[in-house]
Amino acid sequence: AQSVSQHNHHVILSEAASLELGCNYSYGGTVNLFWYVQYPGQHLQLLLKYFSGDPLVKGIKGFEAEFIKSKFSFNLRKPSVQWSDTAEYFCAVQTGANNLFFGTGTRLTVIP
Amino acid sequence: AAGVIQSPRHLIKEKRETATLKCYPIPRHDTVYWYQQGPGQDPQFLISFYEKMQSDKGSIPDRFSAQQFSDYHSELNMSSLELGDSALYFCASKYRGTDTQYFGPGTRLTVL
Repeated sequence: AQSVSQHNHHVILSEAASLELGCNYSYGGTVNLFWYVQYPGQHLQLLLKYFSGDPLVKGIKGFEAEFIKSKFSFNLRKPSVQWSDTAEYFCAVQTGANNLFFGTGTRLTVIP
Repeated sequence: AAGVIQSPRHLIKEKRETATLKCYPIPRHDTVYWYQQGPGQDPQFLISFYEKMQSDKGSIPDRFSAQQFSDYHSELNMSSLELGDSALYFCASKYRGTDTQYFGPGTRLTVL
C-alpha cells in the first residue's frame, strides 16, 4: 500500500532561518508529488507540484522542492522563512488512480 | 478566479442526527473528491466521483453516502452521526486529463 512519511511533526525556526521538510513515499510506480500548506483556520492550498521533467520545482512564496527518485523523496525547502510561513505543511503523493495520499503533516512555527 | 465552494462552512449536529455537506467544484471541473481531516490528523480520502459516477472509494463509513449531480456539484450525506465524525471535511475538484486537485475551504462538522 502507498504511504507517505513526513519525518518532522513540529519544526520551530527563527525568522530568516532556512527550512527543509522531509517527505518520503513508498510506491514503485510513477507518481505525481505535491506539497500543500494549511494556514491556521484555512483550507489546503497548493504550494508546488512535480509531475515530470526538472526534479527541482519552484512553487509560490519562495518554496521549492526536489524530487530524488532513487531516494523516493520530495523534500520541501525555503532559504529564509518568515513569520507568515507558520502553518501546517502536507506532502501528498498521487498514483495512477488519481487519489492523493497525504503525509501526517509538519507543523512549522516561525518565531519573529 | 473561481474556487471550490463548500457549504455550510460550519455545522453543529447532535449524535444520531443526519448532515448533508455540499461541494460546488470549480467551473468545468468534472471530478470531485471528498476528504476527512480529524483533529490533528492528515486528510483521509473518502470517496470520489467522475462524470456523476463514483470513481473510487476510500475509508468512507457505511453510514455515509455521496453523489454527484448533473451540474457536477456533490453532496456528502452523513447519517447516525457519531462523536468521532467531528472533523473538517474537504472537497477537492479537478478537470479530467489534469492531475491537480484544488481544495475548497472545508466544512467543519461538530457532533455533540
